[in-house]
Amino acid sequence: EDQVTQSPEALRLQEGESSSLNCSYTVSGLRGLFWYRQDPGKGPEFLFTLYSAGEEKEKERLKATLTKKESFLHITAPKPEDSATYLCAVQAAPRAILVFGKGTKLTVNP
Amino acid sequence: GAVVSQHPSRVICKSGTSVKIECRSLDFQATTMFWYRQFPKQSLMLMATSNEGSKATYEQGVEKDKFLINHASLTLSTLTVTSAHPEDSSFYICSARSPAGGRETQYFGPGTRLLVL
Repeated sequence: EDQVTQSPEALRLQEGESSSLNCSYTVSGLRGLFWYRQDPGKGPEFLFTLYSAGEEKEKERLKATLTKKESFLHITAPKPEDSATYLCAVQAAPRAILVFGKGTKLTVNP
Repeated sequence: GAVVSQHPSRVICKSGTSVKIECRSLDFQATTMFWYRQFPKQSLMLMATSNEGSKATYEQGVEKDKFLINHASLTLSTLTVTSAHPEDSSFYICSARSPAGGRETQYFGPGTRLLVL
């Protein structure tokens, strides 16, 4: 069974304090690993897709990396507006549906 | 990125009534759409996969006669919660799969908050 585990469940940072969120997965036939950001009361906002080990993608203060067992979302010098729940999901063969982790709730204090 | 809209954003209804939620892909055609529900402080749970022109595929434990899904066109899918009860109160989110450069990405709508009294 495909599984996704995110850690930590919650993370509090001071503005400017860099850190990383972890997403570990067990899946047969990975087609892609997705990162989303979700604000309270809203749908998830797409951030990145990673397809193979060693791949990296960046967007502003965020950088996502992928290995064969886990992915990291690195946040550099975060700002309060980066506060949100970050969701990781894997897409695996053959069904190709997304299996989500429980998310990491990030709070960045000014 | 691609845009997915949902309507309504919020609905309050009486127990026993039916509620329809619309999901539209605004700038792309989606042969496949998905419906999720999310309870407070929990992650997204897939309810069903909707394919244009064919019957939806429901996840285990989801009642297909209670949650009716229609994917009538490449840009519209609807979810009807029939005979809604308080336990159906939840946050319903749709998603559409967009082919972009040969790779498919799922984009999500803003969600519909359903409260059944």
